[in-house]
Amino acid sequence: KQEVTQIPAALSVPEGENLVLNCSFTDSAIYNLQWFRQDPGKGLTSLLLIQSSQREQTSGRLNASLDKSSGRSTLYIAASQPGDSATYLCAAAGTGGFKTIFGAGTRLFVKA
Amino acid sequence: NAGVTQTPKFQVLKTGQSMTLQCAQDMNHEYMSWYRQDPGMGLRLIHYSVGAGITDQGEVPNGYNVSRSTTEDFPLRLLSAAPSQTSVYFCASSYDRGSRGTGELFFGEGSRLTVL
Repeated sequence: KQEVTQIPAALSVPEGENLVLNCSFTDSAIYNLQWFRQDPGKGLTSLLLIQSSQREQTSGRLNASLDKSSGRSTLYIAASQPGDSATYLCAAAGTGGFKTIFGAGTRLFVKA
Repeated sequence: NAGVTQTPKFQVLKTGQSMTLQCAQDMNHEYMSWYRQDPGMGLRLIHYSVGAGITDQGEVPNGYNVSRSTTEDFPLRLLSAAPSQTSVYFCASSYDRGSRGTGELFFGEGSRLTVL
């Protein structure tokens, strides 16, 4: 049974700081790992997807890495901005791309 | 291209009432799934389907029924609503193993359900 854990549960940083959000999963036989952003009361916005054969993906100030052997993924946010304040969720898809399991999320607050 | 469409967006039920949350996608995705999200928590998988006529249970299936008669639609049924089912429900879809691409999940905007 796949379990996904995100640490820390909440994080508050000053504007401009670089930060790392962590995601761990128990079953390394994943098809892909996705990172999402969720603003309060809103739906999910896809940020990055890393396929099982890849090690990292980058989009603007965001970089996500994947280490299947250790069951870990990290989301690196460079030069954080107040607009980055949101909950960040990681999700691991099982074999075939099915049965995607989510972590509980990291609530990020970037102070101006 | 509408993507994943969920209806209704808001619903209030009384305990014991039944209802169906609708989910439709126009991307020809084989895989569809339902999640619930409770305050301060991530998404928990309720049921999923890998194609028409094929469904399976997720992490929290009790109290919910699903069926998949077409590729486009994946309704979620609450037969006898309970206050514990008060939540925000999200439907998602992606490709299947045959034409899966990256397997990226696409989400609807959510349906907020309150059971009194």
